[in-house]
Formats: sequence, C-alpha cells, structure tokens
Amino acid sequence: DIVMTQTPLSLSVTPGQPASISCKSSQSLLHRDGKTYLYWFLQKPGQSPQLLIYEVSNRFSGVPDRFSGSGSGTDFTLKISRVEAEDVGLYYCMQTIQHPRTFGPGTKVEIK
Amino acid sequence: DVQLVESGGGLVQPGRSLRLSCTGSGFTFGDYAVTWVRQAPGKGLECVSFIRSKPYGGTTEYAASVKGRFTISRDDSKSIAYLHMNSLEIEDTAVYYCTREGVFTPRFDSWGQGTLVTVSS
Repeated sequence: DIVMTQTPLSLSVTPGQPASISCKSSQSLLHRDGKTYLYWFLQKPGQSPQLLIYEVSNRFSGVPDRFSGSGSGTDFTLKISRVEAEDVGLYYCMQTIQHPRTFGPGTKVEIK
Repeated sequence: DVQLVESGGGLVQPGRSLRLSCTGSGFTFGDYAVTWVRQAPGKGLECVSFIRSKPYGGTTEYAASVKGRFTISRDDSKSIAYLHMNSLEIEDTAVYYCTREGVFTPRFDSWGQGTLVTVSS
C-alpha cells in the first residue's frame, strides 16, 4: 500500500496569515495517463469530508481561490494564502492512483 | 443536486452482521464507481471497499482490514450500493461514508453524511 505522510499534524494560524501543509507519498503518484492522482480534502468539525483540490492543483467547484495545490511525483503542498475562520478543520491528502486508496493522517488547522 | 445518503448503521454485537446502503440521486448512479470510507472515533479516514461501475467490470477492491468479512455490491436499477459487513469486530466501530468516483468528473466530489456503526457487547 502507498503510505501518505503529512506535516505538520497541527497548525495554529492567525486569521489573514498564510498556511502550508506538506504531503509525501511512498511512491510516485504520476500515472501513465499523465495525471498525478493526489487529492486534498477538508473535514470541518462534525461534517463529512469535502473535496478541495484534485489531481494536485485543480480547485474543485466552489472552492475559494485562496486554496492552492502544487507538487509532483511524491511531494505535494496545500497552501492557504489567507486563512479565514471557516477554514478550521482537518486537512487530508489522499492518493487515488492505486487501490487501496490511502489518506494521510490529517493536519488539524485551528485559528489563533 | 447530487446526493448520497447512507443508512443501515446501528449498534451490533461482535461477530454479528450488518448491511449498509448508499443511495444516490441527482446523477446516473450506474456511471460511477462507489467507495466506502470509514472513520473510527477520533481517527483518520480509511477506504474500506470499492466497486467499479458495470461498464468497467463492476469489480471490487477491499482494504486488508476487512477483506473476507465485508462485501460490496450494487443495484444500479435502484441507485444503491451496499456494504455487507460480516464477523464484525470492535475495531469496525466507525462512521461509514460513501462517495463516488467518476471517470470524467473529479473523484470523491460528493460524500454522504455518514452512518455510525457501533460494535459492542
């Protein structure tokens, strides 16, 4: 199975300040079809996970442009340019290149 | 609107069985693969089972932790995917979510609200 790691595991951010989460995979997520199957999700308190970013850098419909994803191969980053109060929750990266799909352990983002 | 609704959770004794349902609406259910993802209390997310759409063979995948005990199936005429859970263990206690994977749409773009399964004597 592909192992996903995330750093940091928790983050306390002042509103309006940037935040960054790193995600690493134990194998390359670049598929022979040319796509890289790295996804980012946010799980707000008491809610189901919601898709933020797909295939490394594509923002899902309705996701604010303060969220951006980057990376390649095995190293990826989610950035929030200016954190807002509504961004609190657990952020998960996930690989979907092979089964079983695997998630990172999650990064808890809270507001200072 | 696209919607996925899980049902069937509850309290069950170790060793017993339970069947979860995932009902889709607002889209052509048969065009999508379905994944069951669970989250144990205070823990992270784990994909436990996956079923491809019929055009892609309708084949299945399982996490090692549930292989041989859980079976995923689908009835596209009813827009439902099932997760049959046998020989339940205390470690299976979790909220179970269903989500979809499309070929031409982002995977995991829609999730249900989850259904809680509690395995306890």
